[in-house]
Amino acid sequence: AQSVTQLDSQVPVFEEAPVELRCNYSSSVSVYLFWYVQYPNQGLQLLLKYLSGSTLVKGINGFEAEFNKSQTSFHLRKPSVHISDTAEYFCAVTINNAGNMLTFGGGTRLMVKP
Amino acid sequence: NAGVTQTPKFQVLKTGQSMTLQCAQDMNHEYMSWYRQDPGMGLRLIHYSVGAGITDQGEVPNGYNVSRSTTEDFPLRLLSAAPSQTSVYFCASRGTGQGGELFFGEGSRLTVL
Repeated sequence: AQSVTQLDSQVPVFEEAPVELRCNYSSSVSVYLFWYVQYPNQGLQLLLKYLSGSTLVKGINGFEAEFNKSQTSFHLRKPSVHISDTAEYFCAVTINNAGNMLTFGGGTRLMVKP
Repeated sequence: NAGVTQTPKFQVLKTGQSMTLQCAQDMNHEYMSWYRQDPGMGLRLIHYSVGAGITDQGEVPNGYNVSRSTTEDFPLRLLSAAPSQTSVYFCASRGTGQGGELFFGEGSRLTVL
């Protein structure tokens, strides 16, 4: 079975600074990887996903993530954050071609300060 | 442009009571699912369905029942609520293919006293 670990439960950062949210997964087979964002009192929205091909994936709102198979990581980055990026971010993994179980990490709360 | 609609948004139950959380989607998605969200634990899959008449268990199915009689609706039933079921519940759907985007409802906050 697959699992996901988000190494930081909270990440405080000043506005316009760069940020990296870390995600590591565990799986013995090929995976699909996702990052979702949850704004207060809302459901989750897809930021970006990796299915295959280029390991650098670009998403909405200026976010990008890099799939690193050897390190089993899928870290999320943004070069310059805004106050509006304050939210909770979830990394998720599913084993491709093996069912419908999408497993989420515990979440990282990004707090952007002025 | 409704997407995924969940009702109710808030509910307080006493231990032992039963209730149904409703979920409806208007995107003709075959796949629908229920998650619960608890602090520090992310979202955990309760049950899912890949089409009308087909349901399967997720990671934490105990205490919950589901059915899928139509493509649009996927209700989640708590037969005898327990305080451990206090949580925020999300319904999500997607089209065919595991690489597709999950579309989430806005959540239902349930408190069991």
